[in-house]
Amino acid sequence: AQSVTQLGSHVSVSEGALVLLRCNYSSSVPPYLFWYVQYPNQGLQLLLKYTSAATLVKGINGFEAEFKKSETSFHLTKPSAHMSDAAEYFCAVITNTGNQFYFGTGTSLTVIP
Amino acid sequence: GAGVSQSPSNKVTEKGKDVELRCDPISGHTALYWYRQRLGQGLEFLIYFQGNSAPDKSGLPSDRFSAERTGESVSTLTIQRTQQEDSAVYLCASSPGLVGSYNEQFFGPGTRLTVL
Repeated sequence: AQSVTQLGSHVSVSEGALVLLRCNYSSSVPPYLFWYVQYPNQGLQLLLKYTSAATLVKGINGFEAEFKKSETSFHLTKPSAHMSDAAEYFCAVITNTGNQFYFGTGTSLTVIP
Repeated sequence: GAGVSQSPSNKVTEKGKDVELRCDPISGHTALYWYRQRLGQGLEFLIYFQGNSAPDKSGLPSDRFSAERTGESVSTLTIQRTQQEDSAVYLCASSPGLVGSYNEQFFGPGTRLTVL
């Protein structure tokens, strides 16, 4: 079975501080991992995805995530938070056996000026 | 081209009424998904269509929920005899749907359903 766990439903950081949003996955086969962002009153949009190429994946808006098989993690980071980063972030996993995505419960990021 | 569109954007209904939610996927996308997002919660998978294959209905929470898709175009999600617990944002997503290519899903803006 596949699943993702996002630790911390709410994260607050100061503007300019490091952003770290945690995601751990469970998969019996090599996973493909995604981070999506949902801005207020908007649909989800893809931030970045890992599909077994480089373990460090760079996405839009300065975000990146590192796939660590030994830790079964795919944490999302950004060196310096901006006010516009305030949103809900979802981690998702899909396996190479199908097209069904499994989403985490989301992490709400607040950026404090 | 245009992204995924959903209508209506907001729907308020009375308990016991039926509602229909519509999703227009990106042209050419063979895969289409419906999700439910309750307030403050993550995405709950409802149903998945892939081309002309039988849909994966494993996520539908009860027999009051059903969905149809005509070919590779529009999909409608129908909720019969709505209950207050059905209040949520219903999200639709489409994907090129090429198995093995791990394509991202493109999401619509959602329909916010409120059952009074």
